[in-house]
Amino acid sequence: EVQLVESGGGLVQPGRSLRLSCAASGFTFDDSAMHWVRQGPGKGLEWVSGISWGGGNIGYADSVKGRFTISRDNAKNSLYLQLNSLRAEDTALYYCAKGLPGNAYSLGYWGQGTLVTVSS
Amino acid sequence: QSALTQPPSASGSPGQSLTISCTGTSSDVGGYNYVSWYQQRPGEAPKLMIYEVHKRPSGVPDRFSGSKSGNRASLTVSGLQAEDEADYYCSSYAGSNNFHVVFGGGTKLTVL
Repeated sequence: EVQLVESGGGLVQPGRSLRLSCAASGFTFDDSAMHWVRQGPGKGLEWVSGISWGGGNIGYADSVKGRFTISRDNAKNSLYLQLNSLRAEDTALYYCAKGLPGNAYSLGYWGQGTLVTVSS
Repeated sequence: QSALTQPPSASGSPGQSLTISCTGTSSDVGGYNYVSWYQQRPGEAPKLMIYEVHKRPSGVPDRFSGSKSGNRASLTVSGLQAEDEADYYCSSYAGSNNFHVVFGGGTKLTVL
């Protein structure tokens, strides 16, 4: 069974940093593209960042480019998102999601999310 | 990197068919066959319903179908059921040389 478990969220002051983690199991992690998607309170889904199976291809939404960094450790079956210079508008539930086999851009499995709240 | 455009709401009676549109540009929806649709019920994580414009993952009822014409994609739900009431989001690959995905703003589907 595919499982994606996010952690690392919490309450943080504006301008500070946070590191999110996603522990993956039940599938061959190093064969899969992975993504972070967020959802602000009462808002829609927003793609944040994605990374190819080997880490050689990475993308970011304009809203986070230069502040967030995605990475993965295939030996640990883990995906990460480093969030720097956090702003109030970064407050959201952050989901980790897995691309389909042969299609990195359709997100076939999602975790339950980790909540990030940016407030003073 | 603009979001794809979806109607904010849609509604239909049980048994009816309903179509939700998703409008993008030639740089995303119109340029690639990587359109996906997701269903999200309150308090739950999104669920993939359609991928690559019209394909259904295992377990998704065939009442759900997808299509695309030019820069516009559509999700059709036939034989509406109460359990179909949810938010629906489209997404598309949007990068010719990097990893980039864009979502629509979401459509709240109400079964009357």
